[in-house]
Amino acid sequence: DTEVTQTPKHLVMGMTNKKSLKCEQHMGHRAMYWYKQKAKKPPELMFVYSYEKLSINESVPSRFSPECPNSSLLNLHLHALQPEDSALYLCASSQDPQGIELFFGEGSRLTVL
Amino acid sequence: DQQVKQNSPSLSVQEGRISILNCDYTNSMFDYFLWYKKYPAEGPTFLISISSIKDKNEDGRFTVFLNKSAKHLSLHIVPSQPGDSAVYFCAVQGGKLIFGQGTELSVKP
Repeated sequence: DTEVTQTPKHLVMGMTNKKSLKCEQHMGHRAMYWYKQKAKKPPELMFVYSYEKLSINESVPSRFSPECPNSSLLNLHLHALQPEDSALYLCASSQDPQGIELFFGEGSRLTVL
Repeated sequence: DQQVKQNSPSLSVQEGRISILNCDYTNSMFDYFLWYKKYPAEGPTFLISISSIKDKNEDGRFTVFLNKSAKHLSLHIVPSQPGDSAVYFCAVQGGKLIFGQGTELSVKP
């Protein structure tokens, strides 16, 4: 069983919808990450939170809005997405902000119609 | 500009034989290397790692070799089992984790 839990596992949304992806970890890790993965491609880093503060934004469009309410939770708010944003969104955590070893959740499969 | 390359998108091996997955990187300053395994519809799971001060790290059936002069690392799985069939990503720690494109391993009974 993964120790990084993501909900929902599947999400279908229209381009005008607002939805959120949620991630939770209880390993006491102080860094949390959002990755995006398209089919047959490697995971691509989107955001990094270190000690609950946004430390890296990989030039992600503003229609993706991350939020870290506390050290265990990470959200990704979605608004006005495009069909090309359809992908597997992976949350990960690491003990330290250097991110030597990341623990990934199972991902949220997003489809934008 | 790919900093981490896995040139073989797929590899097929007979059960019981050795699987060798390869990875090349461009920056000699990278000092920590990892392999992740990914099943369909799941997130990647950490498999094994190696730091640049070593040239080999072994964990059960899995061994990672690092050749710093060639900027090359490889993952050996022996003996290979059908349950090893998955996509394997090489990753390097370069301020952030940088993944290769992945190699899909298929182990046939």
